[in-house]
Amino acid sequence: TQLLEQSPQFLSIQEGENLTVYCNSSSVFSSLQWYRQEPGEGPVLLVTVVTGGEVKKLKRLTFQFGDARKDSSLHITAAQTGDTGLYLCAANKNNAGNMLTFGGGTRLMVKP
Amino acid sequence: DAGVTQSPTHLIKTRGQHVTLRCSPISGHKSVSWYQQVLGQGPQFIFQYYEKEERGRGNFPDRFSARQFPNYSSELNVNALLLGDSALYLCASKLGYRPNYGYTFGSGTRLTVV
Repeated sequence: TQLLEQSPQFLSIQEGENLTVYCNSSSVFSSLQWYRQEPGEGPVLLVTVVTGGEVKKLKRLTFQFGDARKDSSLHITAAQTGDTGLYLCAANKNNAGNMLTFGGGTRLMVKP
Repeated sequence: DAGVTQSPTHLIKTRGQHVTLRCSPISGHKSVSWYQQVLGQGPQFIFQYYEKEERGRGNFPDRFSARQFPNYSSELNVNALLLGDSALYLCASKLGYRPNYGYTFGSGTRLTVV
């Protein structure tokens, strides 16, 4: 069982549509990060959220950290083909040093 | 500035062999971590080093070992390779030790064990 459960695992949408992906856990985290990974590359950090209830925006991407710091969501408005990739959430458990635990990822395909 | 660089980019080894993977962090970054990413899954934590000391170890067998050098570069060694060790091995560096700092990942080494 993954410590971080991401849903959906796969998502295929048309350009211009909106979407939300989720990252859920029963554990409390000191911080949570979202990464995007393209084939043949390492993950690229998109955002770090630290405070429960925090909302951060990065252009068309909106990230939210749950009030209890156990879950997070990523919402993309008007998706573009360039948004295609693997979206990974990752978190540090409290008192777990710097060990990042990753979810299984959401593979997004945006079709023209 | 150069990002995190890993070598080699691809590697094919036979079962039972030994492999050494190398990582150069971003200049000034003292923390280096290693992750294993099996196809279709998220990365799994293997090791973290900070200031040349091991600061964390994931749930991997003793066949996996690593070290960090005075220039903060790092090596990951895997002995007695198994087919299941086939994966993308990612190195990541960050500026400090605090968990809230984001990692910068390299492009990885694709290891295939046959």
